[in-house]
Amino acid sequence: GAVVSQHPSWVICKSGTSVKIECRSLDFQATTMFWYRQFPKQSLMLMATSNEGSKATYEQGVEKDKFLINHASLTLSTLTVTSAHPEDSSFYICSARDPPKTTGLAPLHFGNGTRLTVT
Amino acid sequence: DAKTTQPPSMDCAEGRAANLPCNHSTISGNEYVYWYRQIHSQGPQYIIHGLKNNETNEMASLIITEDRKSSTLILPHATLRDTAVYYCIVRPYSGAGSYQLTFGKGTKLSVIP
Repeated sequence: GAVVSQHPSWVICKSGTSVKIECRSLDFQATTMFWYRQFPKQSLMLMATSNEGSKATYEQGVEKDKFLINHASLTLSTLTVTSAHPEDSSFYICSARDPPKTTGLAPLHFGNGTRLTVT
Repeated sequence: DAKTTQPPSMDCAEGRAANLPCNHSTISGNEYVYWYRQIHSQGPQYIIHGLKNNETNEMASLIITEDRKSSTLILPHATLRDTAVYYCIVRPYSGAGSYQLTFGKGTKLSVIP
């Protein structure tokens, strides 16, 4: 089945530094990828929608200058947390849409997440 | 507003069937019911989806009521590895919203040895 790979699986960084998280679709071309954030004991919250070759669409309350998204190819989207602070510590998860083969309802595939800890 | 409601937690004995309910009383005619699960510290995993007919795959069965206002996910023989948070999500089959998933709080299923 379709696989989405996310890297790194965990990262610890110092406050004020930037961290880049990669999301790759391994066996399909993902025209659309999604970035979620999950705080402890909470559900996943959509941060932004990334379309290949165009600007990302951010959800309300998500700072686009802080969470930079690049989707330069059909198999790679990156999320860069700029000037990270301890409150950015969270579990970041990407998902990718496998273009439908027969219907528009192909299940979204998720990466295994990146645990970011900002000290 | 939440489009689905699920019990916050459930226990199930290992080897028994786990029946996870979901209410989606405001579901629209163009919305499917999807189930995902999230094992601790991992990304969500797709389980199954359906419109109005019951569905079965290698992981689970999905029973949708005739009025489509509720559904039940059935794991026929629960194992310890099925311990996870299970999310019931409604998703339209067309339009921009069809490619986004809105996660509620889900049901934390604990499989007990």
